[in-house]
Amino acid sequence: SQQGEEDPQALSIQEGENATMNCSYKTSINNLQWYRQNSGRGLVHLILIRSNEREKHSGRLRVTLDTSKKSSSLLITASRAADTASYFCATEDSNYQLIWGAGTKLIIKP
Amino acid sequence: DAEITQSPRHKITETGRQVTLACHQTWNHNNMFWYRQDLGHGLRLIHYSYGVQDTNKGEVSDGYSVSRSNTEDLPLTLESAASSQTSVYFCASSDSTGHNEKLFFGSGTQLSVL
Repeated sequence: SQQGEEDPQALSIQEGENATMNCSYKTSINNLQWYRQNSGRGLVHLILIRSNEREKHSGRLRVTLDTSKKSSSLLITASRAADTASYFCATEDSNYQLIWGAGTKLIIKP
Repeated sequence: DAEITQSPRHKITETGRQVTLACHQTWNHNNMFWYRQDLGHGLRLIHYSYGVQDTNKGEVSDGYSVSRSNTEDLPLTLESAASSQTSVYFCASSDSTGHNEKLFFGSGTQLSVL
């Protein structure tokens, strides 16, 4: 079964609003990464958070990690049309295996 | 600029044929990966390599093979294509320090096996 499970599967919001998506996992991890995939393209790395970190920021992105709940969230503030994409979390487990979730499809409406 | 390129972008083949998908990176990364992406699934790892002459099986390696003769290239071969191998294939690379950290992806190859 998938280690990382994103929630929701799809999210549609108005431009300018904040978007939050979540990732849950089952086993202990070394790190968790978020990637973006635009339609028909490869994935692009957004941010990595290590198991001993609780929060990281990168521009309009904020990632939190709660290892006690085995979950992470990705917040995109002040969304733009260009943020329309699918977002994937990937967790590296203690065996150094990288396991991917099925993704959240984000649509930003103008 | 450094990049990772995949070819072809689209490929249609028949069942039973041998198919090779190319992946070339100019990042000088030691680590290279092949994934397949299917609707409703996350990426699934097919094969990976941590350096020249090193290859390892991933989660879904049956029916696929790779070889690593230089740093830049990791071609993926489907020995005898099957309809179940219709998918989008992504190649990725990363630098040595964190094998699975900050992967750089190619634009993908859409493979249809008829």
